[in-house]
Amino acid sequence: DAGVTQSPTHLIKTRGQQVTLRCSPKSGHDTVSWYQQALGQGPQFIFQYYEEEERQRGNFPDRFSGHQFPNYSSELNVNALLLGDSALYLCASTETGNYGYTFGSGTRLTVV
Amino acid sequence: GEDVEQSLFLSVREGDSSVINCTYTDSSSTYLYWYKQEPGAGLQLLTYIFSNMDMKQDQRLTVLLNKKDKHLSLRIADTQTGDSAIYFCARGATNKLIFGTGTLLAVQP
Repeated sequence: DAGVTQSPTHLIKTRGQQVTLRCSPKSGHDTVSWYQQALGQGPQFIFQYYEEEERQRGNFPDRFSGHQFPNYSSELNVNALLLGDSALYLCASTETGNYGYTFGSGTRLTVV
Repeated sequence: GEDVEQSLFLSVREGDSSVINCTYTDSSSTYLYWYKQEPGAGLQLLTYIFSNMDMKQDQRLTVLLNKKDKHLSLRIADTQTGDSAIYFCARGATNKLIFGTGTLLAVQP
């Protein structure tokens, strides 16, 4: 049973560009969350998607947006990239009503 | 993660017990979690404890929760070199987890 899968694993972008990261949740999970983990820090909550809608959002600017598809997979989009957006982006999935979150291995984004 | 705090580093010898500590300020969380992160990897859920419990044991792992002091600890018995990693404490909030900054556990052979 595959867990949470994320793609790509690594990505290098230039300041000002746009990026799309992808996540497939664990089988049976319908809720997807995204986290940003800067070097040496704990993960910070970006937003959560459920039933194809953004259910909750953390303290991130509108440059960060997302989408959830009918098969529960999700995308994270970041526009107008800044050097400070360089981080490990983690996707987590869960089943509604369940308190356990399963994380993927992340996408390492480097902005140069 | 400013309301979840952890010490930055812990060094132990192989075979000893490790105790990683965490404090938090908001006592409204229903669940508290421990995650493990190995270099270059994502987060692995180790265990979680319901807020009305004092202790939970799972093989080599023991979680202690002191709600009065808002203190959570993770004890790893018979620590092995494979336990070397960063350990994150997290508290559950509505639709999200709030993480500490992580504790780097170094296991010396």
